Amino acid sequence: AQSVTQLGSHVSVSEGALVLLRCNYSSSVPPYLFWYVQYPNQGLQLLLKYTTGATLVKGINGFEAEFKKSETSFHLTKPSAHMSDAAEYFCAVSLNTGFQKLVFGTGTRLLVSP
Amino acid sequence: ETGVTQSPTHLIKTRGQQVTLRCSSQSGHNTVSWYQQALGQGPQFIFQYYREEENGRGNFPPRFSGLQFPNYSSELNVNALELDDSALYLCASSRQGGRATDTQYFGPGTRLTVL
Repeated sequence: AQSVTQLGSHVSVSEGALVLLRCNYSSSVPPYLFWYVQYPNQGLQLLLKYTTGATLVKGINGFEAEFKKSETSFHLTKPSAHMSDAAEYFCAVSLNTGFQKLVFGTGTRLLVSP
Repeated sequence: ETGVTQSPTHLIKTRGQQVTLRCSSQSGHNTVSWYQQALGQGPQFIFQYYREEENGRGNFPPRFSGLQFPNYSSELNVNALELDDSALYLCASSRQGGRATDTQYFGPGTRLTVL
């Protein structure tokens, strides 16, 4: 069964520092991978997704992620954190068994200090 | 373009009652998925509707049921509420009938509290 592991339930960075949020997946077939962000009391917003092609994917708000098949990873990065990046981040793998089911990790809360 | 909307925002019910949550999909989208997000957890897939029919279901009991209407809006019904049903319920719409590469656009959710 496909699954997603997000290492670190909380990550703290200073404003201007590098953001690195980790995501590892298990999949018996080529995966489709997504990163979503959730701000307090809101739904999920897509940051970026990997389907096929270029393994370095650029998303909104300066975020990017690299699909590494050999490491079964899809880590999310941003060169310089901003206070507005403080939120919960979810990695998800998409299953296609006649319908699309997103399987989410448990999330990582990003804290940004001044 | 109007995004995904959900109603109500918050709901309080007692154990054993029934509840209906509503979702309006984004314009041009024909597929709606429902997720349950317990506190401190990632969303869990409940089911998906495509062109008014359920085309996929997660590991939820039959007391979780749904509908999709001709305008592609959707309802989630939960019967015989249990305390563990307390969660944020998220609706997501997409345009490609449930293809694995599709993007799901999420609404703000309905916070259900069961007492």
